[in-house]
Amino acid sequence: DTAVSQTPKYLVTQMGNDKSIKCEQNLGHDTMYWYKQDSKKFLKIMFSYNNKELIINETVPNRFSPKSPDKAHLNLHINSLELGDSAVYFCASSPVAGGPRDTQYFGPGTRLTVL
Amino acid sequence: AQSVAQPEDQVNVAEGNPLTVKCTYSVSGNPYLFWYVQYPNRGLQFLLKYITGDNLVKGSYGFEAEFNKSQTSFHLKKPSALVSDSALYFCAVRDGNDYKLSFGAGTTVTVRA
Repeated sequence: DTAVSQTPKYLVTQMGNDKSIKCEQNLGHDTMYWYKQDSKKFLKIMFSYNNKELIINETVPNRFSPKSPDKAHLNLHINSLELGDSAVYFCASSPVAGGPRDTQYFGPGTRLTVL
Repeated sequence: AQSVAQPEDQVNVAEGNPLTVKCTYSVSGNPYLFWYVQYPNRGLQFLLKYITGDNLVKGSYGFEAEFNKSQTSFHLKKPSALVSDSALYFCAVRDGNDYKLSFGAGTTVTVRA
């Protein structure tokens, strides 16, 4: 029943490791997003894919790489993890990119802790 | 450029009293405005949005918001707050010609019994 799901829910890892977070939506949406929420709860857009095409690529370290194998999935791979990467990462999806029907629905989040 | 301001970090109200969470925005084109709520250790839940038409928008859980173009505001309201409304509320704006959603810093609402 879960509309937008993320795995894992919690991720604790050492500095320098490489990790991936997975996101899946079963809403039939065309567009998916990754956001980072820092310790002050500020939300920042990182990436967006529309029909597997990258449409938003904000200024993030190139250690972060999104991958969209199909419309229903958007994964986030992070290389050489740093302490500052510790945050909650949210995936979201929307029926379309832009226009009046574009409304984003969020997953439950993945809390990443880098030690 | 687009931006959102939520001038209050915290709002405290007694249960049963009206609740208002303030939001002002800035966009160059037509604004699409949204409110989301985040409960502790949960994702954001969509409450309501304004695209066009009636300035008063009704949403989930008894919330409503009023779009005011002259004041560039989109305040969230609930006539009678519940303890369970205690959460973090985000206002967001998107320029009608853009894909990106810009969020405010959030307002923590505490409803005391």
